[in-house]
Amino acid sequence: DVKVTQSSRYLVKRTGEKVFLECVQDMDHENMFWYRQDPGLGLRLIYFSYDVKMKEKGDIPEGYSVSREKKERFSLILESASTNQTSMYLCASSLSWGTNEKLFFGSGTQLSVL
Amino acid sequence: DAKTTQPPSMDCAEGRAANLPCNHSTISGNEYVYWYRQIHSQGPQYIIHGLKNNETNEMASLIITEDRKSSTLILPHATLRDTAVYYCIVRLTYGQNFVFGPGTRLSVLP
Repeated sequence: DVKVTQSSRYLVKRTGEKVFLECVQDMDHENMFWYRQDPGLGLRLIYFSYDVKMKEKGDIPEGYSVSREKKERFSLILESASTNQTSMYLCASSLSWGTNEKLFFGSGTQLSVL
Repeated sequence: DAKTTQPPSMDCAEGRAANLPCNHSTISGNEYVYWYRQIHSQGPQYIIHGLKNNETNEMASLIITEDRKSSTLILPHATLRDTAVYYCIVRLTYGQNFVFGPGTRLSVLP
């Protein structure tokens, strides 16, 4: 089975801190994604990457950056955390674009910014 | 604009079939219908997808109408562990991301 592992299940940070959320997948997938999920707003795509060192903005990239130095690892960076970035963050990966593309998600990181 | 419309919530008795509807009246010919579900405190999980033919796997069946404007996800014998939010998503094969709407919250009742 594909495993997508997010480094922390719960994280508490202070306003202004730099925050790193790490995600690792073990199935040699090309594509990796970061979503955030908020009550009433559903899942919203922040950034995605379809190859090492490649990144594309999703629907809500403001306040975030990403890094993909290795194929299996995709990091989400909050340069200066703010309270409105308190959310559940979900990482996902997929093999490649195609008719049978399936997203595999991690368990999520609940981030609280105080 | 939302590409899919789902009822916000549904109940189903344990052991009975759960039929979850989805309207996608603006679907184009090369867009697939995907279903995912999200159990509380977990990431979404892929269930099934299809283009125009009905599909079945070990988790569920997907029935797509002939005009492709709607579909139904069927869980043949719902269990308490099927209680989750179910998302119906329409997307192109290439170069288009998955867009998750609010979904349907299915409650399987004992």
